[in-house]
Amino acid sequence: DVKVTQSSRYLVKRTGEKVFLECVQDMDHENMFWYRQDPGLGLRLIYFSYDVKMKEKGDIPEGYSVSREKKERFSLILESASTNQTSMYLCASSHPGGDDGYTFGSGTRLTVV
Amino acid sequence: AQKVTQAQTEISVVEKEDVTLDCVYETRDTTYYLFWYKQPPSGELVFLIRRNSFDEQNEISGRYSWNFQKSTSSFNFTITASQVVDSAVYFCALSPGAAGNKLTFGGGTRVLVKP
Repeated sequence: DVKVTQSSRYLVKRTGEKVFLECVQDMDHENMFWYRQDPGLGLRLIYFSYDVKMKEKGDIPEGYSVSREKKERFSLILESASTNQTSMYLCASSHPGGDDGYTFGSGTRLTVV
Repeated sequence: AQKVTQAQTEISVVEKEDVTLDCVYETRDTTYYLFWYKQPPSGELVFLIRRNSFDEQNEISGRYSWNFQKSTSSFNFTITASQVVDSAVYFCALSPGAAGNKLTFGGGTRVLVKP
């Protein structure tokens, strides 16, 4: 069964910490995405990548960075966590043509205290 | 830039009532794809439908139906004879250019179906 795996389901971090959220997919998808989900705001795109070592800013990249050293792994980095980054983070992947759609991870609920 | 608007934040209905979720989108691309996803209380995103910009045919799948109108940039979703299991947050989303490109989501509509 194909899937996108996010390393943690729940995470609690302190303000100012550097936080790594890991996402791994086993579908050989070229495209990978990081979203954050907040009530009433839907899912907002943070960063995305259409190829290894390639990254592009989404709609809300401030305070975040990403790394894609291997095709299957896309990491989201909070350089200095702040309380306003408390949210649900969702990773997704897809083929460029999208024939098999998008596959989403089960999410990481991050709380910054 | 793309934008998806779901004006209804929450809809409450009694079981067996029909419910229609509105979705209005903005894009400058001539080729684009529209999606609906369901997010039940368990949290996972469940794919419901994908539509490309060249196919305006309405679609019906069981109790679900979709109405795509390019003239009004709308892609509305109707649940007929709603059931308690339909209680969820529903998202409309748009992908410009190709179906696998970045998705822009609407804010979501929470549907509560009461028995």
